[in-house]
Amino acid sequence: DQQVKQNSPSLSVQEGRISILNCDYTNSMFDYFLWYKKYPAEGPTFLISISSIKDKNEDGRFTVFLNKSAKHLSLHIVPSQPGDSAVYFCAASARNYGQNFVFGPGTRLSVLP
Amino acid sequence: EAGVVQSPRYKIIEKKQPVAFWCNPISGHNTLYWYRQNLGQGPELLIRYENEEAVDDSQLPKDRFSAERLKGVDSTLKIQPAELGDSAVYLCASSSSRNSEAFFGQGTRLTVV
Repeated sequence: DQQVKQNSPSLSVQEGRISILNCDYTNSMFDYFLWYKKYPAEGPTFLISISSIKDKNEDGRFTVFLNKSAKHLSLHIVPSQPGDSAVYFCAASARNYGQNFVFGPGTRLSVLP
Repeated sequence: EAGVVQSPRYKIIEKKQPVAFWCNPISGHNTLYWYRQNLGQGPELLIRYENEEAVDDSQLPKDRFSAERLKGVDSTLKIQPAELGDSAVYLCASSSSRNSEAFFGQGTRLTVV
């Protein structure tokens, strides 16, 4: 049973427009969420995080939104750049329960020039 | 500051042969993880260390996989004997604590033929 889902395997966006990557989870104990970016032949790179006590966290062009009632989070990239083309992984953990991070299957973002 | 270093980057072995992967975490990081990533999927945790103690190895196939973290710094992951289904990317990651984001190495791509 997949606890963290990323239902869109791929997404294409025009350069300069907004990219929205979605993530859904099933475990209501999850209280901390991360987004990672992965380029080919490299390990995942930490991008941004959000705690369940917040509903938004922003870092430059990247904003993560958390909707706890819907068990849904999204990553917004504005404006999108060709260098943002990568696979994005959503990860979640139940820190207060000592659980390790669980990763989603990833969404491949292509930003077209 | 150096990131997480893994070696080798690539390994091709015949089935039933042994293989070992090495990881040097970020200096000062007490928590070390080994993940396995299959094609098209997110990383899956194999084992987590807090210093030199393996605190979560519930997902490690113990009949053929073993790991150690000597002196709470470097770590090795071994497979003996390897099976065709072990072909994957093996990622090492470290963090300052279990509740913090993990930093990943570049991974070792294992191909079992």
